[in-house]
Amino acid sequence: EAQVTQNPRYLITVTGKKLTVTCSQNMNHEYMSWYRQDPGLGLRQIYYSMNVEVTDKGDVPEGYKVSRKEKRNFPLILESPSPNQTSLYFCASRAFSYNEQFFGPGTRLTVL
Amino acid sequence: DAKTTQPTSMDCAEGRAANLPCNHSTISGNEYVYWYRQIHSQGPQYIIHGLKNNETNEMASLIITEDRKSSTLILPHATLRDTAVYYCIVFNAGGTSYGKLTFGQGTILTVHP
Repeated sequence: EAQVTQNPRYLITVTGKKLTVTCSQNMNHEYMSWYRQDPGLGLRQIYYSMNVEVTDKGDVPEGYKVSRKEKRNFPLILESPSPNQTSLYFCASRAFSYNEQFFGPGTRLTVL
Repeated sequence: DAKTTQPTSMDCAEGRAANLPCNHSTISGNEYVYWYRQIHSQGPQYIIHGLKNNETNEMASLIITEDRKSSTLILPHATLRDTAVYYCIVFNAGGTSYGKLTFGQGTILTVHP
């Protein structure tokens, strides 16, 4: 089944404790991205990647890092999480030749 | 990417057609109209997209006006599971914002028995 998976689905952590949210897709898509969703602000793009070893900032990249060492994986790294990063996070992917973007199930992160 | 305007909320009776409007009066010639929906806090789900012509797939129909300044998403026989937030997005798939979908507030569609 074609899908985007994210782990963990739920995470409660404390300020300053480094964490990684994994994202993996099995569709051989070139393009992958991370969004965060907050009430009243909609979905905002954090980072995106056009292909392996090619990443770039989205609209709200501060406090986040990403890497794209393999085509299927695009982890989101929070080196020193803060409470304002409490949010619902979505990973997405698409193929260059196809317009549909596939989203993962979401990761609900709470930073205390 | 062009901005879109959608009603905040709509209601629909189960089994009836749900018609969700979207205004995108500043759309440019190479921008597509996309529709996604989000059920509860799940990941957004692609529904349909179009450029000029009307489109239909197994989920919905998309009607785009001749001047392309507005469109309507039609769910022909709404079910309770269609209750969701529906987003109309204007997107240039080949432009410099490649891949980035700009989600507005969307329309909360409530399907009731």
